[in-house]
Amino acid sequence: AQSVTQLDSQVPVFEEAPVELRCNYSSSVSVYLFWYVQYPNQGLQLLLKYLSGSTLVKGINGFEAEFNKSQTSFHLRKPSVHISDTAEYFCAVSDLGSNYQLIWGAGTKLIIKP
Amino acid sequence: NAGVTQTPKFQVLKTGQSMTLQCAQDMNHEYMSWYRQDPGMGLRLIHYSVGAGITDQGEVPNGYNVSRSTTEDFPLRLLSAAPSQTSVYFCASAPSGARGYNEQFFGPGTRLTVL
Repeated sequence: AQSVTQLDSQVPVFEEAPVELRCNYSSSVSVYLFWYVQYPNQGLQLLLKYLSGSTLVKGINGFEAEFNKSQTSFHLRKPSVHISDTAEYFCAVSDLGSNYQLIWGAGTKLIIKP
Repeated sequence: NAGVTQTPKFQVLKTGQSMTLQCAQDMNHEYMSWYRQDPGMGLRLIHYSVGAGITDQGEVPNGYNVSRSTTEDFPLRLLSAAPSQTSVYFCASAPSGARGYNEQFFGPGTRLTVL
């Protein structure tokens, strides 16, 4: 069965520094990959998604992610973070074997230090 | 458009009580789902529906019932609340086909505490 691992439960980073949030999934069969963001006391919203094509995907708020099939990874990056990026970030995978249901990672809290 | 709405925002129950969490969407989405969010565990799927009159179980369905009589509404019923059901509950919807490439739209959540 598909599983998703977000290797860091928290990532502290200084404002204006770059950040990478890591995500690995277990199955190498055809998958769709997503990053969602949850701001404090809110629901989740889509940051970006990979369906096919270019392995570098750009999303909202300056975030991007790179799909690496050989390493089954989909890491999220931003070159310069802002205090408003403080949130929890979730990686999710949808594969044909699970009838397209999303399998979620445990989440990574991004903590921006002033 | 209001998007996905959930009521109530907060609820405290005693063990054994029953209640219904409401979810509605005004985007004419066929797919709707309920998740629970617990610290360090991400989101876990409780039940989902691919259209009116069709529901199915997710990863953690025990203790919960759902029905889908209309496209817009997808209520979640707790039959006999237990402390293990203390969680934040999110309703989500997605466009037709329930295909995995569709973005899911989330409600603001219901924070439930069972004493």
